Amino acid sequence: SQQGEEDPQALSIQEGENATMNCSYKTSINNLQWYRQNSGRGLVHLILIRSNEREKHSGRLRVTLDTSKKSSSLLITASRAADTASYFCATGTSGSRLTFGEGTQLTVNP
Amino acid sequence: ETGVTQTPRHLVMGMTNKKSLKCEQHLGHNAMYWYKQSAKKPLELMFVYSLEERVENNSVPSRFSPECPNSSHLFLHLHTLQPEDSALYLCASSQTTGAQGYGYTFGSGTRLTVV
Repeated sequence: SQQGEEDPQALSIQEGENATMNCSYKTSINNLQWYRQNSGRGLVHLILIRSNEREKHSGRLRVTLDTSKKSSSLLITASRAADTASYFCATGTSGSRLTFGEGTQLTVNP
Repeated sequence: ETGVTQTPRHLVMGMTNKKSLKCEQHLGHNAMYWYKQSAKKPLELMFVYSLEERVENNSVPSRFSPECPNSSHLFLHLHTLQPEDSALYLCASSQTTGAQGYGYTFGSGTRLTVV
């Protein structure tokens, strides 16, 4: 069954604003990863957070993980037009493959 | 360039054709994957190879036939496809199989159109 489900499905903001995307999942996980996909291209790995971690930062990205609520959020601060892309969460469970959600389409308007 | 190269980038084929998709990685990864991405659907895992051995086949129709001659190369052989097989086919690699905590590196994909 599908693990990660992103929310919202689409998000449109102005350049300079922060963008927050959420991911919920159903079963226990080993780690959760966020990926970005520009239109028609492959996915690019952004950040990985393990189940025993609560928050992680990478540049303008901040990821949180709440295992009690089975949810994660990706925050992009000071967004740029170049951040326009689809963002996917993927959940990893011990001994199995990553399962991807349907993604959030982020549009950052100049 | 991610380190995972897929060719061709675009492919149009008739339902009676036979074609192959190619994926190459020189990252030293031991696991390679084929994913299918259709519009409005989550990525669908098709095949998993670990050290050249197929370890997973997710109920994929036999008209898709994978081949992994070595740990750096992965092929997807296509024959007698259907229009609903039109999609973006993505190859990915990772250090190991399983999801213990390694990110996947994806290629740019092959956009396949079946006419």
